[in-house]
Amino acid sequence: DTEVTQTPKHLVMGMTNKKSLKCEQHMGHRAMYWYKQKAKKPPELMFVYSYEKLSINESVPSRFSPECPNSSLLNLHLHALQPEDSALYLCASSQEYGLGGSMNIQYFGAGTRLSVL
Amino acid sequence: AQKVTQAQTEISVVEKEDVTLDCVYETRDTTYYLFWYKQPPSGELVFLIRRNSFDEQNEISGRYSWNFQKSTSSFNFTITASQVVDSAVYFCALSRNNNDMRFGAGTRLTVKP
Repeated sequence: DTEVTQTPKHLVMGMTNKKSLKCEQHMGHRAMYWYKQKAKKPPELMFVYSYEKLSINESVPSRFSPECPNSSLLNLHLHALQPEDSALYLCASSQEYGLGGSMNIQYFGAGTRLSVL
Repeated sequence: AQKVTQAQTEISVVEKEDVTLDCVYETRDTTYYLFWYKQPPSGELVFLIRRNSFDEQNEISGRYSWNFQKSTSSFNFTITASQVVDSAVYFCALSRNNNDMRFGAGTRLTVKP
């Protein structure tokens, strides 16, 4: 089973709202990722968590706040977003971070399509 | 610097045609990994294949085949006898040992009935 589940599938929010995106995996993976994908563009890495610790923050604005409460869950808290933040937000997981071999295959969820009005 | 180039932005074929998606990469690393992912309209990126830099063996999986050539820094993907369900955006990606994946721009494949 290579399933990564993301909720909600769609989200519309105003610029003053606070919302959260949720990602869950039960594959025993210890690395989890957030990507942002604008229309007709490839995914861009935002954050990497390894063993529930933030390993990579790709200079993402503070209005995006990731959280990894346990090894199976990854949240992305959103606050005071801008219309240009509208995108597909993808979560992924892999067995480990920073190692090669089969452990670095990332499995993706279906994403949350976010619209900021 | 790492870079992945997918020069074909969009390809349109008729069902049952064969189609090849090109991927050219640049890296100074001796150990690296190449991937292909499929993204259907639903949005999920579906993992198709991973190749490491020491394994140049070509691979076939059903109607899918991959041709990895280090001499030309290419990792091309061929779909034989294409079907409508193959319509999607296909991404080639490159990563080093640290898992940070660099995606190409993607190729949108449309298979018409």
